[in-house]
Amino acid sequence: SAVISQKPSRDICQRGTSLTIQCQVDSQVTMMFWYRQQPGQSLTLIATANQGSEATYESGFVIDKFPISRPNLTFSTLTVSNMSPEDSSIYLCSVVDTPTYEQYFGPGTRLTVT
Amino acid sequence: EDQVTQSPEALRLQEGESSSLNCSYTVSGLRGLFWYRQDPGKGPEFLFTLYSAGEEKEKERLKATLTKKESFLHITAPKPEDSATYLCAVQEGQAGTALIFGKGTTLSVSS
Repeated sequence: SAVISQKPSRDICQRGTSLTIQCQVDSQVTMMFWYRQQPGQSLTLIATANQGSEATYESGFVIDKFPISRPNLTFSTLTVSNMSPEDSSIYLCSVVDTPTYEQYFGPGTRLTVT
Repeated sequence: EDQVTQSPEALRLQEGESSSLNCSYTVSGLRGLFWYRQDPGKGPEFLFTLYSAGEEKEKERLKATLTKKESFLHITAPKPEDSATYLCAVQEGQAGTALIFGKGTTLSVSS
């Protein structure tokens, strides 16, 4: 199974600022996703970030607010821009392990916006 | 309308008291059903993927089963270390697409 790390593990940010979250995978993966988990809630898909194509965003999430980069098969970043307290969540990256198609998650980045 | 519904929301068991968690789904073209365990402050840990009705998978004290409308996660003789939130997720369409998650069942096992 893929081993995924995220940086930072947690951060406290002021409203109006931006934070970039890094996701590093120990193997090459094509399919990657970014999810958000708000306090007490389950996971909600933000966007699909497959290598070789532009990120595709789910309803309610826009590129200007959550720009994503996917420069290679082992790395991606998610930026949370112009933050507000409503952005306080855990942000998780997930990858698809081929050929099993099992999906694995990183440890998450806990973001608090004050 | 929720596509994935988990019940109960919370479950308290005594050590050794077996029980089941339920995950019902309404997606039309199920590609796979996934179970994860999530400990506080951590990312979800993959447990199982089930692909077709009648399929069963086991791992230690956990056994997952799948029907055409729901999945069960059976916990046999649980221990306190099994305490966690268990998440169910479904995948539609093609393999490798994103998952749709339920809200989870928080399991507490006391000794």
